[in-house]
Amino acid sequence: AQSVTQPDIHITVSEGASLELRCNYSYGATPYLFWYVQSPGQGLQLLLKYFSGDTLVQGIKGFEAEFKRSQSSFNLRKPSVHWSDAAEYFCAVGALLMDSNYQLIWGAGTKLIIKP
Amino acid sequence: KAGVTQTPRYLIKTRGQQVTLSCSPISGHRSVSWYQQTPGQGLQFLFEYFSETQRNKGNFPGRFSGRQFSNSRSEMNVSTLELGDSALYLCASSFGAQGSSYNEQFFGPGTRLTVL
Repeated sequence: AQSVTQPDIHITVSEGASLELRCNYSYGATPYLFWYVQSPGQGLQLLLKYFSGDTLVQGIKGFEAEFKRSQSSFNLRKPSVHWSDAAEYFCAVGALLMDSNYQLIWGAGTKLIIKP
Repeated sequence: KAGVTQTPRYLIKTRGQQVTLSCSPISGHRSVSWYQQTPGQGLQFLFEYFSETQRNKGNFPGRFSGRQFSNSRSEMNVSTLELGDSALYLCASSFGAQGSSYNEQFFGPGTRLTVL
């Protein structure tokens, strides 16, 4: 069955340090891949998405993600985090289900805490 | 352009009652999806509508239902409320016929439902 795993429930990073949030998926074909962010008191917002082509995808707010087919991963990275990046990050996969419908399958989320 | 709006923002109900939540998508968006978000289960897909037709449905009991009107506004209804229905209910709209598994979704702030 299709699934998305974000192994880290919480991650604490110092301001200015680099960040990598992990996402692994289980899906037979090449999926559509997304990263969304949910900031405190705000709605979910799309950071970036991958459908095909260049496996390194640039998003908003200085984030990027790399699709690695061999590892079934789509990790999110940022070279230098800012206090405003403190939020919850969700990885999602658009997958074709057995009933021939596409559905977005979400990871459990990773809460990012920024140390001053 | 106005964002996705959801009403009401907060709701308190008792077990056995029913509730209707409303979502107005971004102007021009014809696809509306609903999600339930809880600390334990994360983001779970409820259903998706496009042009007044339910296109996808998640794995929720029949107590959860929805509809979409000709102006793309959507409502979801939960009958015979249970304590476990307490959650943040999120609505998202997207432009284009391919739906939420392909297009960027724009999320509303959610309706916080508490069942006592």
